[in-house]
Amino acid sequence: ETGVTQTPRHLVMGMTNKKSLKCEQHLGHNAMYWYKQSAKKPLELMFVYNFKEQTENNSVPSRFSPECPNSSHLFLHLHTLQPEDSALYLCASSQEGDTYSNQPQHFGDGTRLSIL
Amino acid sequence: GQNIDQPTEMTATEGAIVQINCTYQTSGFNGLFWYQQHAGEAPTFLSYNVLDGLEEKGRFSSFLSRSKGYSYLLLKELQMKDSASYLCAVLDSNYQLIWGAGTKLIIKP
Repeated sequence: ETGVTQTPRHLVMGMTNKKSLKCEQHLGHNAMYWYKQSAKKPLELMFVYNFKEQTENNSVPSRFSPECPNSSHLFLHLHTLQPEDSALYLCASSQEGDTYSNQPQHFGDGTRLSIL
Repeated sequence: GQNIDQPTEMTATEGAIVQINCTYQTSGFNGLFWYQQHAGEAPTFLSYNVLDGLEEKGRFSSFLSRSKGYSYLLLKELQMKDSASYLCAVLDSNYQLIWGAGTKLIIKP
């Protein structure tokens, strides 16, 4: 139990479907992250929300749309995905300081996404 | 560009010692993290080094040399449950995390 819960754990969808990934953290952290993890590649940071405001968007295609309604919940809305988007999507949270932070990130178990 | 290098895969024997290396070239340095990730599970935090030297936590130790851009994770008295991927990540000058691709450690009886 990491304190970060992701649902669903597995998702299979067609390229024309719309679905959403959900993440909830119970750690009282003020920053949340979406990462993409592909086999034998480094974690790719997709989005960062700090104090509920998006502070990073690393050139992610518009078919991925994040939403952070409060500091405990994070969503990733998916629309018209491509086969190359099949991967493990990880959510993480951390406690960020006002100017910088070296606090570790706490991860959920991820959603294994397969695009048909 | 920024780069983290670690071996793709390593094999070791139960009860033995293994050292997983990580070298980095980043724009600035504000610390290095090691995470453990079992298959199908969340990466979990193992250690954080920002000063040179060795930090020990039970069976696991992490070493850092900033002048060499080098770290290693040392696992002693290996157990089967240590079979996992080990991820190295560096905080750069902007406090952005730069990740390695991970080292898959296979423990054999």
